[in-house]
Amino acid sequence: GAVVSQHPSWVICKSGTSVKIECRSLDFQATTMFWYRQFPKQSLMLMATSNEGSKATYEQGVEKDKFLINHASLTLSTLTVTSAHPEDSSFYICSAPPGLAGGSDTQYFGPGTRLTVL
Amino acid sequence: QKEVEQDPGPLSVPEGAIVSLNCTYSNSAFQYFMWYRQYSRKGPELLMYTYSSGNKEDGRFTAQVDKSSKYISLFIRDSQPSDSATYLCAMSGTGGSYIPTFGRGTSLIVHP
Repeated sequence: GAVVSQHPSWVICKSGTSVKIECRSLDFQATTMFWYRQFPKQSLMLMATSNEGSKATYEQGVEKDKFLINHASLTLSTLTVTSAHPEDSSFYICSAPPGLAGGSDTQYFGPGTRLTVL
Repeated sequence: QKEVEQDPGPLSVPEGAIVSLNCTYSNSAFQYFMWYRQYSRKGPELLMYTYSSGNKEDGRFTAQVDKSSKYISLFIRDSQPSDSATYLCAMSGTGGSYIPTFGRGTSLIVHP
């Protein structure tokens, strides 16, 4: 299957700092990427959809000024958590939407990034 | 009522048991049904994918979809300790509604 990588896999930061998470498609070109957040024992919640060459689309209730998304190229999407607070501690996962990864009808997920804000 | 309901468990079974995992949903527009396995601190990986109703088998895994009852199942035969993980169901429509809706996941523990 298609490969999606994320970096870093785990990050700890101080409250008030910003953290950047990278999502890369390794064997296909991604014009779109989904960004999810997952709290412990909870489902995946779609935060936003990044689009190469245009602005990201945010889901209702997600602060676009706090979660900055940039789709710099066809293989790289980034999520920056600005002025992070302990309540932002979560597992952040990106995924390639259906149809992009080798024509698949399903999503392929990255390995996730665990963010801990002290 | 949530669009997708899934019992979070945990479900604890002995090695070798047959495991049944289930989800119910309310949106009749869903056409694609997926099961993902997620190990602790890892991203979900696709296990099974079914379009519309029916059964699909892949090794020890069988996915069933009953659209009339809005009920999907994943069966694991001869369960192994390595099957211990969280299993997420997901479903989506077609066209513009292809973004999946996920269940909250069922935690499965297979003990030796």
